[in-house]
Amino acid sequence: SQQGEEDPQALSIQEGENATMNCSYKTSINNLQWYRQNSGRGLVHLILIRSNEREKHSGRLRVTLDTSKKSSSLLITASRAADTASYFCATDANRYTGANSKLTFGKGITLSVRP
Amino acid sequence: GAVVSQHPSRVICKSGTSVKIECRSLDFQATTMFWYRQFPKQSLMLMATSNEGSKATYEQGVEKDKFLINHASLTLSTLTVTSAHPEDSSFYICSARDWAEIYNEQFFGPGTRLTVL
Repeated sequence: SQQGEEDPQALSIQEGENATMNCSYKTSINNLQWYRQNSGRGLVHLILIRSNEREKHSGRLRVTLDTSKKSSSLLITASRAADTASYFCATDANRYTGANSKLTFGKGITLSVRP
Repeated sequence: GAVVSQHPSRVICKSGTSVKIECRSLDFQATTMFWYRQFPKQSLMLMATSNEGSKATYEQGVEKDKFLINHASLTLSTLTVTSAHPEDSSFYICSARDWAEIYNEQFFGPGTRLTVL
């Protein structure tokens, strides 16, 4: 079953603007990860944030995690047309550990950046 | 960075035939590989977890006799869709986890688009 729920489901912005995408989940987690998928392609890992972390940065990406609200946000600053893709959050629930650990993906957000 | 390949990238087959998809970790050893299925404009649904040298663990609702998984080495896992039917048409994606990775970061292959006529 899907654990993560992203919102909005679709986002259209102008190049240069910031894009904020949110993800909510239901159970306790070890970590939360964000992935990007270009149309018809595999997934690219963007960033991982552990349950004891509140914020993490990587280039133009900023991820926050609020475990009390069971939510995370992904901010892409100064967006570019090349950022157009689907974005997924994935949670690693802490009831699955070690060799049994696995990711559960949200439904995804379609981001369109207009040039 | 860690690279995972899939072969073939696209396959079209007739109903009733079997199709094998390969997933390889190119520059690391993967003790665990995962097989996902994705329908158009939908999320990834985990089908099974494949551990090297042992039987795969299938998610609820996934037929193990339909989707045969073999993880014979630390760099190769295969998914065989047996007696494929049009409803098996989908995008199949594998991922691999480095044995040394403790935070469950998975590296994904580029996917295989299966079309069953």
